[in-house]
Amino acid sequence: EPEVTQTPSHQVTQMGQEVILRCVPISNHLYFYWYRQILGQKVEFLVSFYNNEISEKSEIFDDQFSVERPDGSNFTLKIRSTKLEDSAMYFCAGTGIGANVLTFGAGSRLTVL
Amino acid sequence: QKEVEQNSGPLSVPEGAIASLNCTYSDRVSQSFFWYRQYSGKSPELIMSIYSNGDKEDGRFTAQLNKASQYVSLLIRDSQPSDSATYLCAVLDGAQKLVFGQGTRLTINP
Repeated sequence: EPEVTQTPSHQVTQMGQEVILRCVPISNHLYFYWYRQILGQKVEFLVSFYNNEISEKSEIFDDQFSVERPDGSNFTLKIRSTKLEDSAMYFCAGTGIGANVLTFGAGSRLTVL
Repeated sequence: QKEVEQNSGPLSVPEGAIASLNCTYSDRVSQSFFWYRQYSGKSPELIMSIYSNGDKEDGRFTAQLNKASQYVSLLIRDSQPSDSATYLCAVLDGAQKLVFGQGTRLTINP
């Protein structure tokens, strides 16, 4: 069964450093999402992406965050200057045209020290 | 602000019994509703989707939807220890993004 693949599975970084989280969506997916989950809290929407542009972003997705799909396959989330409160599990998800069931990747755990 | 509310639990159910999980949502225009299961440290895994009022059964799982009351529930029959997890209710909003509840932690006691 096709999977959404995320790398790295775990990244530890120092506060103020830049982090790039990568996702390889399922090939027929056209809508892409990033969600995050702080330990013990709910899964929160960050951003949705369609047709090479952001469809919607949440209040969390401020200027330190960016997304892109540079080569038509990878879908990346960049956090420019990490803060302690960015420590969380980040999930990539995708869905196809006419579908509304999101398939999630295994997640990337980010720890900011 | 669109909200999805769940009792965070923990909900403790003996093995073999029925576990009942509830969820309410605030966005009246929502048409698609989902239950995800999440094991500790893992990603959400889809269990059920429901789009119409009434019940939808899949194996030991039954989802129930009442749009008038803005209420979704999940029943797990013949609960097994492997069902112990956090169950996330999610609603697809008008912008085609999933809005999650905080999840209900379910423990099945052998």
